[in-house]
Amino acid sequence: EVQLVQSGAEVKKPGESLKISCKSSGDSFSNYWFGWVRQMPGKGLEWMGIVYAGDSTPVYSPSFQGQVTISVDKSITSAYVQWSSLKASDTAMYYCARAKHGDSWFDPWGQGTLVTVSS
Amino acid sequence: QSALTQPASVSGSPGQSITISCIGTSSDVGGYNSVSWYQQHPGKAPKLLIHDVSNRPSGVSNRFSGSKSGNTASLTISGLQADDEADYYCNSYVTGNIYVFGTGTKVTVL
Repeated sequence: EVQLVQSGAEVKKPGESLKISCKSSGDSFSNYWFGWVRQMPGKGLEWMGIVYAGDSTPVYSPSFQGQVTISVDKSITSAYVQWSSLKASDTAMYYCARAKHGDSWFDPWGQGTLVTVSS
Repeated sequence: QSALTQPASVSGSPGQSITISCIGTSSDVGGYNSVSWYQQHPGKAPKLLIHDVSNRPSGVSNRFSGSKSGNTASLTISGLQADDEADYYCNSYVTGNIYVFGTGTKVTVL
């Protein structure tokens, strides 16, 4: 069974950097896209961007372009999203999700990583 | 791109059918048959219910069905059950591997 296992909750201060991960198990890692989704407290899902594991090419939602960096490491079948300087408004649950190359839906999803940014 | 428009809430009694709309534009919902629907229970990760407008993954109840007309996609839940009480989100391909979610709908089982 394919699973996406995300790294644990983080508590950070404004201005700090952070990289959270999404470990994929199961079949061929390089045939898949990995997307990241933000859910702020009590709010809806927001599409952040996606990266193709085959060639590590990221694509960002215009709202998140320049705000985060999405990447993959094929050697350890993991996807990442990172921030260079966190803001309080980055406080949210972050989900990763997987799509097969050529498909337009995401399944499975990771369990989520809660990021809290507070001084 | 703007979020797709969904009603904030929909309710129904057990056994009834309800429909959730997802209104987009010709650049997203209307332009591609790449609409998917996700169910999210409180404190849980989203779960795929429907893909490519009307296709159900294996393991998803046939009480869930999807359709599309023009720029509006719809999710129908028939035979409403207590466990269907959750948030529901539509998602559409936009362009260049960019996607957009709907605003989300809270389903209440009366």
